[in-house]
Amino acid sequence: DAGVTQSPTHLIKTRGQQVTLRCSPKSGHDTVSWYQQALGQGPQFIFQYYEEEERQRGNFPDRFSGHQFPNYSSELNVNALLLGDSALYLCASSLGLSSGNTIYFGEGSWLTVV
Amino acid sequence: AQSVTQPDIHITVSEGASLELRCNYSYGATPYLFWYVQSPGQGLQLLLKYFSGDTLVQGIKGFEAEFKRSQSSFNLRKPSVHWSDAAEYFCAVGLPLNQAGTALIFGKGTTLSVSS
Repeated sequence: DAGVTQSPTHLIKTRGQQVTLRCSPKSGHDTVSWYQQALGQGPQFIFQYYEEEERQRGNFPDRFSGHQFPNYSSELNVNALLLGDSALYLCASSLGLSSGNTIYFGEGSWLTVV
Repeated sequence: AQSVTQPDIHITVSEGASLELRCNYSYGATPYLFWYVQSPGQGLQLLLKYFSGDTLVQGIKGFEAEFKRSQSSFNLRKPSVHWSDAAEYFCAVGLPLNQAGTALIFGKGTTLSVSS
């Protein structure tokens, strides 16, 4: 049973560029969330997707956007990259929108902005 | 506002000794509580979760946690630590979202080192 998979694992971008990160949820899961984890910090919730719609958003600017495809996979896009966007980006998946559902995380994509 | 506090930034424990990692939360209702572990360069692995019922929760790798409503705490324990337990540990509270679903609010983590 494949868990949550993310790509790429590492990437380096220049300030002002745009980046796309990809996520395939755990088999059978239909809900995808994205988190940003800065160095030495806990993960912070960016947004959640269900039925191809953004359902909820954390305290992140509009430069952060996403998409969910019919097969439940998801992309995170960040425009106009800033140095402060350097972080580990974690994708998480769960089944449905029940608040009690277990959330599983991928290994993340390390983004360095120079 | 909802928050999670992990008072200990770094803890060192001798191999074979017992472990307790502290977690305090601020949340108005009965929370969903989680402990995750993160090894260097890795994603988060769920150790255990509390939703309701028995306040002592058993998890994987020999970990357990106890929910104490009166103290707003959810401390993680292990009776005998192994060198492979060295990692970053995160406590999180599950925040129900307006349109259903859950967002996790994490503490800043506790780094566990294990000495021989």
